[in-house]
Amino acid sequence: DAGVIQSPRHEVTEMGQEVTLRCKPISGHDYLFWYRQTMMRGLELLIYFNNNVPIDDSGMPEDRFSAKMPNASFSTLKIQPSEPRDSAVYFCASSLAGQIPPDNEQFFGPGTRLTVL
Amino acid sequence: QKEVEQNSGPLSVPEGAIASLNCTYSDRGSQSFFWYRQYSGKSPELIMFIYSNGDKEDGRFTAQLNKASQYVSLLIRDSQPSDSATYLCAVSGLAAGNKLTFGGGTRVLVKP
Repeated sequence: DAGVIQSPRHEVTEMGQEVTLRCKPISGHDYLFWYRQTMMRGLELLIYFNNNVPIDDSGMPEDRFSAKMPNASFSTLKIQPSEPRDSAVYFCASSLAGQIPPDNEQFFGPGTRLTVL
Repeated sequence: QKEVEQNSGPLSVPEGAIASLNCTYSDRGSQSFFWYRQYSGKSPELIMFIYSNGDKEDGRFTAQLNKASQYVSLLIRDSQPSDSATYLCAVSGLAAGNKLTFGGGTRVLVKP
């Protein structure tokens, strides 16, 4: 398996523009997670899905952020409008549905480095 | 108080020595505990997990869990320069589904 795939790997945009980040989870995985990582706040969970259904979006910072999972092999995280404080590395991860390890191990994608000018 | 706490470091150890990393957590319902390693500019990768009290060894790595005291630790024996990275402690509980809560990470520097 190719692992979790994210695109783009780097994104530079200007304040106010819409940004869409994409993720393809590992085939057969039931859970998909979106994280944001910054030096100041570390690795934060934004939202996660189980079988394409959003389960917990309490980490989404504000209404400018939205996430969808239209099918088991694709998810998007959208920021509209983007702001400089959104600059971070955004990771997507996926896992099986097991309750204990190793079945609930999360596998991370390579991340998207977002810079908002 | 953060849910999962780690000393940010850097933890500087000489090559060949033992690196000891600690992590404390606040949720007594936590069930599974993970150590991820993250090299600079890369994504986190799992190196150890543990869910029973006691020690678990895997090669040069040993994870230790004490649920009564709510801490989990990671020992790296015979530290190598390639072990220089940030180590993230993560915790999950049955009530949280497969959601992980991460600590801020401990940066480890192994000096030749």
